Amino acid sequence: GENVEQHPSTLSVQEGDSAVIKCTYSDSASNYFPWYKQELGKRPQLIIDIRSNVGEKKDQRIAVTLNKTAKHFSLHITETQPEDSAVYFCAAPPEGNQAGTALIFGKGTTLSVSS
Amino acid sequence: DAGVIQSPRHEVTEMGQEVTLRCKPISGHNSLFWYRQTMMRGLELLIYFNNNVPIDDSGMPEDRFSAKMPNASFSTLKIQPSEPRDSAVYFCASSRGTVSSYEQYFGPGTRLTVT
Repeated sequence: GENVEQHPSTLSVQEGDSAVIKCTYSDSASNYFPWYKQELGKRPQLIIDIRSNVGEKKDQRIAVTLNKTAKHFSLHITETQPEDSAVYFCAAPPEGNQAGTALIFGKGTTLSVSS
Repeated sequence: DAGVIQSPRHEVTEMGQEVTLRCKPISGHNSLFWYRQTMMRGLELLIYFNNNVPIDDSGMPEDRFSAKMPNASFSTLKIQPSEPRDSAVYFCASSRGTVSSYEQYFGPGTRLTVT
C-alpha cells in the first residue's frame, strides 16, 4: 500500500525564519497531496493542497512544491510566526485510491517557532 | 453548519467493556472517515465510507473493531471488548469526496482511555 514518509519529525526555528518540511510517497499514480496543521489539543485542519498537474502552489506565507518524478512534495513556510507552532502532516491517497477520497498521513512534524 | 460532531468527547472505561463512538458528518458530505491518533503510530486511517457504504476497512486493527453508517448523517465505531492499547484519540472526518473538493473536515475527536 501507499507509504508516506515525512521528515524532520521536529523542527525549531526563530521567528521570521523559513521552515521546510518534506514528504515522500510510494504510489506513482497518486495525484493529490494535502498538508494539515494540528495545533495542540485541536483537530487537524487543511492548510494547503496540490494536485499532480501543477508543480507549485502558494497561499500567502505558505507554499507547496511537488516533484512527481522523484515522488516527493514539500511544505514551505516563510516569515514564520509563533502562531505557526503546531504539528504539520502531509498526506497522499492510499494505493488504488488515486482520486484522493481517502488519505494516508505521514507521522507529522512538530514545528516550534521561538520569538 | 455545526461541523462534524463527535460524542462523547471523553470516554474512560475498563478493559473488557464495550465502547461506542459516534459521529455526525457535515450535511451534504458523501465520504466519512474514522482515524485513530497516538503518539507512537500517528494518525491512522481505520475505515472510510462513501455514500454510506464501507469502501476500505483494511486499517481496522482487529475484529474487536467494527464500524457502521446506517444513514448519511450518522456513523458509529465500536470496540468490543476494549483493551488498554486501544487508548487514543479517535477522529471522525467528512468530505464532499468530489473532484472539486477532497478537503476533509475533522471532528473534535473522542479521547478514549481504557484502564
